[in-house]
Amino acid sequence: EDKVVQSPLSLVVHEGDTVTLNCSYEVTNFRSLLWYKQEKKAPTFLFMLTSSGIEKKSGRLSSILDKKELFSILNITATQTGDSAVYLCAVWSGGGADGLTFGKGTHLIIQP
Amino acid sequence: NAGVTQTPKFQVLKTGQSMTLQCAQDMNHNSMYWYRQDPGMGLRLIYYSASEGTTDKGEVPNGYNVSRLNKREFSLRLESAAPSQTSVYFCASSEAFTPYGYTFGSGTRLTVV
Repeated sequence: EDKVVQSPLSLVVHEGDTVTLNCSYEVTNFRSLLWYKQEKKAPTFLFMLTSSGIEKKSGRLSSILDKKELFSILNITATQTGDSAVYLCAVWSGGGADGLTFGKGTHLIIQP
Repeated sequence: NAGVTQTPKFQVLKTGQSMTLQCAQDMNHNSMYWYRQDPGMGLRLIYYSASEGTTDKGEVPNGYNVSRLNKREFSLRLESAAPSQTSVYFCASSEAFTPYGYTFGSGTRLTVV
């Protein structure tokens, strides 16, 4: 059974801090790992990572994948209150029709 | 606007009642999915449809049925609702064989009392 574990499950920091969110996985046929941001509604796509060691960046957010150690991290620098959300990690382990396996998410709260 | 449309947005059911959650996408995607999200549990796959006319069980299919009516529409039916089915339900769609274009609907919050 495919498994995705995120840590921490919740995190409270002050505006301006840098945070690192973790995602480890055990899947039978890894294809890619995805990060989503969820703010009370539907998850919105952040990154898809397929190859080890290649950092994906978008503004203050970045993510990297380690396929040997089976984990990924999502970094957010200079956090803002608008970064408060649940961050979901998901793994795609087959054809697209098999769906994604999600972790439980990290609930991030940024205090002013 | 292109995307995935779910109806209704909110619903309260009594135990034993039935209902159908509707989902439609206008992106010409082949694959469609139903997930449920419970507090502290992430999203769990209920059913998926790789293409029109096919459906398959996901991780938590018990108590649900689905219909892929055509390429655009994928409905989820609760025949006899139970309090354990209180959840937020998300429909999603994607191109076949890639999760890159995975698009979620805005969700249906269902409460079974």
